[in-house]
Amino acid sequence: DTGVSQNPRHKITKRGQNVTFRCDPISEHNRLYWYRQTLGQGPEFLTYFQNEAQLEKSRLLSDRFSAERPKGSFSTLEIQRTEQGDSAMYLCASSLANSVTGELFFGEGSRLTVL
Amino acid sequence: GEDVEQSLFLSVREGDSSVINCTYTDSSSTYLYWYKQEPGAGLQLLTYIFSNMDMKQDQRLTVLLNKKDKHLSLRIADTQTGDSAIYFCAGKSGGSYIPTFGRGTSLIVHP
Repeated sequence: DTGVSQNPRHKITKRGQNVTFRCDPISEHNRLYWYRQTLGQGPEFLTYFQNEAQLEKSRLLSDRFSAERPKGSFSTLEIQRTEQGDSAMYLCASSLANSVTGELFFGEGSRLTVL
Repeated sequence: GEDVEQSLFLSVREGDSSVINCTYTDSSSTYLYWYKQEPGAGLQLLTYIFSNMDMKQDQRLTVLLNKKDKHLSLRIADTQTGDSAIYFCAGKSGGSYIPTFGRGTSLIVHP
């Protein structure tokens, strides 16, 4: 399968711990997005990369959140000092910069539960 | 920024048509999308429409766009139990690379 891959699929952690999620996009896709989805809500934009450059960050992305895409391929999203309000599904998506439709291809998500 | 609103639930009988509605606020939205999310799976693009179109048909799916009212609808003909899922409306302006999603409409198809 050459779709978007996210790991881990599920993470349960205690409040105050740090967690890191990894996203492997479709190989030729140069754009990579992170969204957060809570129960009953649609995906909320967090941040976006074109190649290795982080071009936009949402106000939702507090100082405890950091995302990287060091070689323009996979990306990591780290949450430091987790809080219960961070519990959500973290979605990664990728796309081609020259896509006519702007379609995003989503991974299955990484579900975070903060106890 | 863009704000996208959808009704939360729709229940239909198998074989009937389903119509899922969406309103958006950004009149400069150039691309409008419908994504489908099945349980435990990521979102998948179902169909899209450009703002210079009023209607797009793709097999059982019909998308209608009313730019004046900023209203988008998705009609699924002959709805099947396999169509049960959450359907997200999303919009993106031509100057942005970031789609904004609605809260999703949960479609339940019963026999």
